[in-house]
Amino acid sequence: EDQVTQSPEALRLQEGESSSLNCSYTVSGLRGLFWYRQDPGKGPEFLFTLYSAGEEKEKERLKATLTKKESFLHITAPKPEDSATYLCAVRGSARQLTFGSGTQLTVLP
Amino acid sequence: DSGVTQTPKHLITATGQRVTLRCSPRSGDLSVYWYQQSLDQGLQFLIQYYNGEERAKGNILERFSAQQFPDLHSELNLSSLELGDSALYFCASSSGLAGGPETQYFGPGTRLLVL
Repeated sequence: EDQVTQSPEALRLQEGESSSLNCSYTVSGLRGLFWYRQDPGKGPEFLFTLYSAGEEKEKERLKATLTKKESFLHITAPKPEDSATYLCAVRGSARQLTFGSGTQLTVLP
Repeated sequence: DSGVTQTPKHLITATGQRVTLRCSPRSGDLSVYWYQQSLDQGLQFLIQYYNGEERAKGNILERFSAQQFPDLHSELNLSSLELGDSALYFCASSSGLAGGPETQYFGPGTRLLVL
């Protein structure tokens, strides 16, 4: 059974204070690791897909990296508008997404 | 805007009732997925349809059923509703093509409240 664990559960940062979110996973036959951003009451918004260890992707202040056991979402110089819940999901041989419980990020001005 | 649409946005009903949630996938996407998100369970996969056929099942209750129509829109039917069914229900779509992008794009969700 595929499993995803995200840490920390919640993170409070000052504006400009860089940090990283962790996603540890176990999956049979990784067919993709996905990062989503979710605002309260809204649908998850796609950020990145990573397929193999060593892969990195960047978008504005966000950078996602992947190893064989975990992924990190690095946030550089965050702004208050980056406040959201960040979800990690894996797609294994079963082809369905298994989500972690998310990291709730708050960026204070 | 992901291109996935869901109706209605909000639904309030009573225990024992039946409701239907509707989803239209992104233009060109053949696969539709349904998820349930509650405070204590996170995002849980329910069921997937590909081009009208059921492709995969997750933790979907027997009281719940879904279908995908020839125009590729999908409906999720929830019956004999219980208080615990109150949750956000999301639809997602992907191209579904073998070897193609497997990223799922989510709709805005339907918030169901069972009283």
